[in-house]
Amino acid sequence: AQKVTQAQTEISVVEKEDVTLDCVYETRDTTYYLFWYKQPPSGELVFLIRRNSFDEQNEISGRYSWNFQKSTSSFNFTITASQVVDSAVYFCALSEQAGNNRKLIWGLGTSLAVNP
Amino acid sequence: DTGVSQNPRHKITKRGQNVTFRCDPISEHNRLYWYRQTLGQGPEFLTYFQNEAQLEKSRLLSDRFSAERPKGSFSTLEIQRTEQGDSAMYLCASSLALAASGNTIYFGEGSWLTVV
Repeated sequence: AQKVTQAQTEISVVEKEDVTLDCVYETRDTTYYLFWYKQPPSGELVFLIRRNSFDEQNEISGRYSWNFQKSTSSFNFTITASQVVDSAVYFCALSEQAGNNRKLIWGLGTSLAVNP
Repeated sequence: DTGVSQNPRHKITKRGQNVTFRCDPISEHNRLYWYRQTLGQGPEFLTYFQNEAQLEKSRLLSDRFSAERPKGSFSTLEIQRTEQGDSAMYLCASSLALAASGNTIYFGEGSWLTVV
């Protein structure tokens, strides 16, 4: 069965610290997609990144970077030099590939608080 | 195009009343999803449409819930005879069903329902 685990429920850091959010997944699919979404207090889920299971290259986008390792079934997310505006709940998700079923399997989220 | 639009953003209703939420997806997207989210949890899949066809419904979707997507454009989610347990945020999302897009799902800002 597919499953996404975000072991860190809450993280609190001081501004400018680096922080890594962990995501471990389980799937029997050979082709799948992994996602990270940000949910600020306003409630909207903001898409951050999509990663194809065949592409293990790490990705950097400004202060954000992602480390995808199939060997450990992990897709970790690092924020460098965190800012107060990064405070949000961050969700990792896995896309099923069976037939037409394309719903996402979600982790429970990690609540990040960046304090000034 | 400004993304996925949902309304109303907030709804307070008395138990037993019916409520309806509307979602306007990103215009070129052929898939539309409804999710439900409660505090401290990740989104729970409710149902999704490809064009006007409702392809899957979660077991979470009781007989009191009905979703439609006439003409494959906007969608409505109706909850009949609301119960306090229906209090949640109802998220609509859309995606373009193309392999290259990896089925990235883009979310609206959600509709908060409070049943009193």
